[in-house]
Amino acid sequence: EDQVTQSPEALRLQEGESSSLNCSYTVSGLRGLFWYRQDPGKGPEFLFTLYSAGEEKEKERLKATLTKKESFLHITAPKPEDSATYLCAVQASTDYKLSFGAGTTVTVRA
Amino acid sequence: EAQVTQNPRYLITVTGKKLTVTCSQNMNHEYMSWYRQDPGLGLRQIYYSMNVEVTDKGDVPEGYKVSRKEKRNFPLILESPSPNQTSLYFCASSSLGGGNQPQHFGDGTRLSIL
Repeated sequence: EDQVTQSPEALRLQEGESSSLNCSYTVSGLRGLFWYRQDPGKGPEFLFTLYSAGEEKEKERLKATLTKKESFLHITAPKPEDSATYLCAVQASTDYKLSFGAGTTVTVRA
Repeated sequence: EAQVTQNPRYLITVTGKKLTVTCSQNMNHEYMSWYRQDPGLGLRQIYYSMNVEVTDKGDVPEGYKVSRKEKRNFPLILESPSPNQTSLYFCASSSLGGGNQPQHFGDGTRLSIL
């Protein structure tokens, strides 16, 4: 069974204080690893897809990286508007199910 | 505007009273899916569909039914709801592509079953 574990559960940052979120996964062949952002009362919003180890993607202050066992979401010089829950999900190459981690809730204080 | 629309957004009902949550997308996506989100457990996939008349179980299908008679619609049916199905539900859609396309989510349906 596919497993996705995210850490930490919660992260409190000062504005400008860079940090990283971790997503460890176990899957029988990776079709894709996804990062989403979720704001309170809203559905998840897509950020990145990573397909193979060594791949990196960037968007504004966010950078996602992938190894064979884990992915990191780096937040550089965060702003209060980066406060959200960040979700990681994997899709195995054997089927089309999508397995999510429980998420990391990031709070950035001004 | 590209969107996934769920109805109702909120529902309070009683045990055993059949209910349907509708989901519609206007992006001509092949893949549609239902999730439930519970504190500490994250999003768990209930059912997914890769096209009309093709549905498959996700990780937590017990107590739910789905149907895909039209490409744009993917209703979630709870034939005999129970309190443990109280949750926040999300519908999502994506193009199929190579199977690793990002999903577009609706804004959620909060179900309370008493």
